Amino acid sequence: AQSVTQLDSQVPVFEEAPVELRCNYSSSVSVYLFWYVQYPNQGLQLLLKYLSGSTLVKGINGFEAEFNKSQTSFHLRKPSVHISDTAEYFCAVSAGGTSYGKLTFGQGTILTVHP
Amino acid sequence: DTGVSQNPRHKITKRGQNVTFRCDPISEHNRLYWYRQTLGQGPEFLTYFQNEAQLEKSRLLSDRFSAERPKGSFSTLEIQRTEQGDSAMYLCASSLGYGTPYEQYFGPGTRLTVT
Repeated sequence: AQSVTQLDSQVPVFEEAPVELRCNYSSSVSVYLFWYVQYPNQGLQLLLKYLSGSTLVKGINGFEAEFNKSQTSFHLRKPSVHISDTAEYFCAVSAGGTSYGKLTFGQGTILTVHP
Repeated sequence: DTGVSQNPRHKITKRGQNVTFRCDPISEHNRLYWYRQTLGQGPEFLTYFQNEAQLEKSRLLSDRFSAERPKGSFSTLEIQRTEQGDSAMYLCASSLGYGTPYEQYFGPGTRLTVT
């Protein structure tokens, strides 16, 4: 079974500052990793995903994440945030084999960008 | 591609009543997932369909819950004898593919309130 821990439930930050949202996972098998964003009253939108290959993955809206297998982490970063980045962010993991791609999500991190 | 749609968007019901939600996936997607999201938590996997076959059900899905996907197109999720603990956002997602976990596209969700 897989599990995901998002280490910060809320992250306040000022506009144009850098931000890092932390995610750790546990799994006994190889995993695929995802970050989703959820704006108020909307569904989840994929920001980026790690399937294989380069451990640094780039996504939409200037976000990137680095897969660290030894530390079982997949932290999300953005060098300069905008007010419009205010939303809830979810880290998720999916295992191969018979999991059929079902996602196990973390508890979410609410990012609030202040002017 | 009109995205994943869910109806209704909101449902208020009295305890003990039955409710049914509908999900229309992206037309060429053969995988369909249901998740449940409670306040302050990440989505939790409920069940998965590949075409019309329901291949996995979470232990979260009690006997009061049933899901169908006739003809491998839209899906319905029914909750019988609703309880206050069923109050949550019910999310549907769809994806392509076999093996590799292709991106899951989420609908806007159905928010259920049981009074």
